[in-house]
Amino acid sequence: GESVGLHLPTLSVQEGDNSIINCAYSNSASDYFIWYKQESGKGPQFIIDIRSNMDKRQGQRVTVLLNKTVKHLSLQIAATQPGDSAVYFCAHRRVEYGNKLVFGAGTILRVKS
Amino acid sequence: DAGVTQSPTHLIKTRGQQVTLRCSPKSGHDTVSWYQQALGQGPQFIFQYYEEEERQRGNFPDRFSGHQFPNYSSELNVNALLLGDSALYLCASSSLGGLTEAFFGQGTRLTVV
Repeated sequence: GESVGLHLPTLSVQEGDNSIINCAYSNSASDYFIWYKQESGKGPQFIIDIRSNMDKRQGQRVTVLLNKTVKHLSLQIAATQPGDSAVYFCAHRRVEYGNKLVFGAGTILRVKS
Repeated sequence: DAGVTQSPTHLIKTRGQQVTLRCSPKSGHDTVSWYQQALGQGPQFIFQYYEEEERQRGNFPDRFSGHQFPNYSSELNVNALLLGDSALYLCASSSLGGLTEAFFGQGTRLTVV
């Protein structure tokens, strides 16, 4: 597969531990903030999103936190598994701008067994 | 239910040539967006098609053009290929002009030599 993320920050965690991936953003006017997971050789896969008027949203094993005061978004993965190893991207979209997705740089998550 | 499908999966072209990439959206989706992902970076928005028209465009030259067909499938055309056009080209589909969650295809890896 392709080698994605040659210059991306890397987070290494032990299997079973919790992971926290962070993202800073600059556009305060976005309507939605989204997390995507991209495995080698595949397209981005939607994980979870959060509306800009919320500060927390939970999914299955994942939680997204939005801190608009400091323009910070985080993704928490509980009980990290080897299958969680991938590149994670935060993105945002604004309805007024046709909902085009604007992606951040990405973080590599490596899960050690 | 087939997800977003793209063809071809890999392609090698020579500088100056033209290329056409194809995308079939997820069943029930009417909006197609194209992204370019360079190695180690997040996807960059190229343009979005809805109701057979280009609705949004990112910061890409006119060498990049597209089309959407009545069955919602889409093509991305790139003329006068440059070495810097080498990238993974991703198609994402959604509904209602991008109001709903975007699903990505596996991408087309274009190499320009």
